[in-house]
Amino acid sequence: DAGITQSPRHKVTETGTPVTLRCHQTENHRYMYWYRQDPGHGLRLIHYSYGVKDTDKGEVSDGYSVSRSKTEDFLLTLESATSSQTSVYFCAISDLLSGNTEAFFGQGTRLTVV
Amino acid sequence: QKEVEQNSGPLSVPEGAIASLNCTYSDRGSQSFFWYRQYSGKSPELIMFIYSNGDKEDGRFTAQLNKASQYVSLLIRDSQPSDSATYLCAPTGAGSYQLTFGKGTKLSVIP
Repeated sequence: DAGITQSPRHKVTETGTPVTLRCHQTENHRYMYWYRQDPGHGLRLIHYSYGVKDTDKGEVSDGYSVSRSKTEDFLLTLESATSSQTSVYFCAISDLLSGNTEAFFGQGTRLTVV
Repeated sequence: QKEVEQNSGPLSVPEGAIASLNCTYSDRGSQSFFWYRQYSGKSPELIMFIYSNGDKEDGRFTAQLNKASQYVSLLIRDSQPSDSATYLCAPTGAGSYQLTFGKGTKLSVIP
């Protein structure tokens, strides 16, 4: 299994509070992604990173920010959580340099905003 | 906006039958096509990938690709109850950073 760890695995937070989710990899893969998964919507890309300090927006980036100060860590921050951000969040990594674009996923973080 | 369409299902097949899962995509630049399986409450895992037109077989799984029709499918032969999961299609472009997924098809294999 690819070495990807998400933390926390579960979190309940209140509306308006900031929340940071962490994704840690031990594979030295260049590309890292944050997705959210909701019933009826599938996996939707929030933000992705193609290198240290290199990030870009995905299709549902509003209300989210990311940072990547080290190859192994990719942080997702909800600046002020809202109930619409209740979801399961998945981190993924890939290594395009190998010619493959397959992604490996972390275990997921279930976030509930009350 | 890249579109990936999958029938959400549920697709129910009896044990031992062939399950056929279909996916259409809008980006003609897509060159790599991945199928992921996701069990309920778990993360997606890669089961097949295909790059060239035609069929690719791996055990009980066969991926079929028709780039002219922008269509990719996954056949599961001798379906087992353990195949019951949601199957996600993910086409990607050459050198693309972004992985775009379909919403997935839920497969239920009935014993």
